[in-house]
Amino acid sequence: QVQLVESGGGVVQPGGSLRLSCAASGFTFHIYGMHWVRQAPGMGLEWVAFISDDENRRYYADSVKDRFIVSRDNSKNTLYLQLNSLRPEDTAMYHCAKPLNYYDSKSYFDSWGQGTLVTVSS
Amino acid sequence: NFMLTQPHSVSESPGKTVTISCTGSSGNIATNFVQWYQQRPGSVPTTVIYDDDRRPSGVPDRFSGSIDRSSNSASLTISGLKTEDEADYYCQSYDNTNRVFGGGTKLTVL
Repeated sequence: QVQLVESGGGVVQPGGSLRLSCAASGFTFHIYGMHWVRQAPGMGLEWVAFISDDENRRYYADSVKDRFIVSRDNSKNTLYLQLNSLRPEDTAMYHCAKPLNYYDSKSYFDSWGQGTLVTVSS
Repeated sequence: NFMLTQPHSVSESPGKTVTISCTGSSGNIATNFVQWYQQRPGSVPTTVIYDDDRRPSGVPDRFSGSIDRSSNSASLTISGLKTEDEADYYCQSYDNTNRVFGGGTKLTVL
């Protein structure tokens, strides 16, 4: 079955950096575009970023554009999110999410990882 | 930027029917599909409605979705409410290449 396991979260000072990872298994990772979604404590869901299967397309929410970088290593079945210039408002649980269909990047999310917590605080 | 607005909370009694709205800030909400996710406390979201009005396998037919072009809104309707339906519900659509979530609605079944 599909498994998505995030790691790399932690406590970081404002202005700092972190790299999150999402290890995927149970599906053909290299043909799927993948997403990151975050959820601040007690708050709603916020879409963060998308990367296509071949890395040629990368899209970001305005709130993270020019600070976060999404990437992937298909040989390792792993998705990454580099978080730079972190702000307190970036504090959240970060989830990777897989769409239902590899051929439709807009299909709904059918699998989510449990998430990794990022806390930005001095 | 395109935004989706949901009521902060709704409540209803077991056995009753509740409808949660999701209103687009501009444009035509019917241009892109709307998805609905249920999130119970401590759990990741699961899909209850996709592509406006379709149910994934395993989701009971008590859950239904619709689009109202006149009000530029989508709706999630849950009939025959059960205490297990108590959760946060999020609509989600698209703004060009990006996905957009509504702010979420807390459903209380009491």
